Amino acid sequence: DTGVSQNPRHKITKRGQNVTFRCDPISEHNRLYWYRQTLGQGPEFLTYFQNEAQLEKSRLLSDRFSAERPKGSFSTLEIQRTEQGDSAMYLCASSTDRELNTEAFFGQGTRLTVV
Amino acid sequence: AQKITQTQPGMFVQEKEAVTLDCTYDTSDPSYGLFWYKQPSSGEMIFLIYQGSYDQQNATEGRYSLNFQKARKSANLVISASQLGDSAMYFCAMREKAGRRALTFGSGTRLQVQP
Repeated sequence: DTGVSQNPRHKITKRGQNVTFRCDPISEHNRLYWYRQTLGQGPEFLTYFQNEAQLEKSRLLSDRFSAERPKGSFSTLEIQRTEQGDSAMYLCASSTDRELNTEAFFGQGTRLTVV
Repeated sequence: AQKITQTQPGMFVQEKEAVTLDCTYDTSDPSYGLFWYKQPSSGEMIFLIYQGSYDQQNATEGRYSLNFQKARKSANLVISASQLGDSAMYFCAMREKAGRRALTFGSGTRLQVQP
């Protein structure tokens, strides 16, 4: 297992288009998180899954955003009708659901640019 | 209220010297964990070190140590013998036992190591 994988690494889209990102977590990790990171800021929590169940969504996640994790494996994050303000790095992380000190492993992110 | 505060947007250090990156946090949960991550220009978040709220000793991992002062709610990262490869963004993050266990990040400190 080579870690958390995110695709694509970069996406340029026109305003109003829909985009979908994919995250493949580390195989034995049952928790999967999506974060958004804008330039010069730390990552901000968007949503998380435990297995296939989406347990929480941040208020940052407007109704144009939807995330799925079918079968508790990979996850997709879709943004509909993209806006320029959606331009950011989208990070995926996975972890086991054991101890408080369990580190989250991050993917390399998908950088979205909306033009 | 901001849960993680990093007051140093940027820091410079000479190669081979030590540097301290500041982090203060705010929580009412008695059980929490504090993490430091490094983010090079390539974008991935690399876990460096962890400190639990009940840990009696400061955490150390190689050249990284965490100066944990619980009463002051601070968790400063100390990097000894800085190397050019240490140049990156550094983020302090917290996970509380209650709730989703997603990490809450600070705004980061950009460290530049000079030869």
